[in-house]
Amino acid sequence: QKEVEQNSGPLSVPEGAIASLNCTYSDRGSQSFFWYRQYSGKSPELIMFIYSNGDKEDGRFTAQLNKASQYVSLLIRDSQPSDSATYLCAAGFNKFYFGSGTKLNVKP
Amino acid sequence: GAVVSQHPSWVICKSGTSVKIECRSLDFQATTMFWYRQFPKQSLMLMATSNEGSKATYEQGVEKDKFLINHASLTLSTLTVTSAHPEDSSFYICSALQLAGASYNEQFFGPGTRLTVL
Repeated sequence: QKEVEQNSGPLSVPEGAIASLNCTYSDRGSQSFFWYRQYSGKSPELIMFIYSNGDKEDGRFTAQLNKASQYVSLLIRDSQPSDSATYLCAAGFNKFYFGSGTKLNVKP
Repeated sequence: GAVVSQHPSWVICKSGTSVKIECRSLDFQATTMFWYRQFPKQSLMLMATSNEGSKATYEQGVEKDKFLINHASLTLSTLTVTSAHPEDSSFYICSALQLAGASYNEQFFGPGTRLTVL
């Protein structure tokens, strides 16, 4: 499968801090990039998608895409304990491949 | 976002039996659906791409005779795990592709089906 790489973590941040999650992908044909949040035993839920170079902001979340570097990131501002979950990065166009996920722990 | 359902949400079966899982897009037509498998503490692994009216495309290493996929309508795809064995126990998740624009597509996930083979 096409490679999508993420640091497995866990990434621990204090409540209110910024959490930074990173992802790299190998397929230059990828045009759509997604960040999903997954709680244990549940299906992934979409946080954000991005397809143009640059930043995209939605509330406390900012996705950043750099196609030249094949890099996509997710910033979570004002992190809350409820943000604690595994965050999955996906890349593709007609089909999508997932990274292994980064476990985020937000400590109260 | 669009809604995708899966049925059943969990199933327990005996080794050697076959299990069918349904995936439905409830409020949009999906010509393409995907089937993923997720083992504990691992990421989603794409198993196959299901295209309405044509044969599914399987990822390398996935046995097409064991995991039968049928996409008979624009809102329904089924995955049948044939002659299931304990190593097939996993969380099976489907998603439906919605064409969102010329530059990107979006996929919506079903809630998943947890299969346990005894």
